[in-house]
Amino acid sequence: DADVTQTPRNRITKTGKRIMLECSQTKGHDRMYWYRQDPGLGLRLIYYSFDVKDINKGEISDGYSVSRQAQAKFSLSLESAIPNQTALYFCATSDPVLDTQYFGPGTRLTVL
Amino acid sequence: ILNVEQSPQSLHVQEGDSTNFTCSFPSSNFYALHWYRWETAKSPEALFVMTLNGDEKKKGRISATLNTKEGYSYLYIKGSQPEDSATYLCAVSSNDYKLSFGAGTTVTVRA
Repeated sequence: DADVTQTPRNRITKTGKRIMLECSQTKGHDRMYWYRQDPGLGLRLIYYSFDVKDINKGEISDGYSVSRQAQAKFSLSLESAIPNQTALYFCATSDPVLDTQYFGPGTRLTVL
Repeated sequence: ILNVEQSPQSLHVQEGDSTNFTCSFPSSNFYALHWYRWETAKSPEALFVMTLNGDEKKKGRISATLNTKEGYSYLYIKGSQPEDSATYLCAVSSNDYKLSFGAGTTVTVRA
């Protein structure tokens, strides 16, 4: 079984809709992350969490919110989706020493 | 946000040839550099992590070097094979925790 899972894997939605992307990990790490990937821009950090009570904004947090429900679960919400949030979203967890990232399979989100 | 630059953006290499590409980063406040391999329709997977100036890592035909004083790392692929086709991502973390990814170098190996 995969160490990091994401649901859904693909989602098409309309402008203004609320969307939640979910992430679960079985690696037992405290650190979890949400990234988005746009062509030519690499991975950009949206939010990260170092433990259940810790939430931090990343490079591009505007328009997003997160919830850390448990050590193993970290969800990303788009309160009112807009077309420029169309992207590939990755959840990741990392080891606490060198921050090597372990990525989920990605969620491809399209906002029409 | 750390300014991590990778060059070239893409390259094509003939099967059996060797190639290399670069990751550049600010040398101040450096903590660690990671290389990831990202195949189409999959998620990025860690290749190497390096922390010390002069570090060299090797996995099969792929190797990497690190120069923290001048702020660059090279990734080398020896005797390229079609299965080496992927995007290679570089990520750099700083002492005050800022992890930034480069845009990647996409390698296409032609048979």
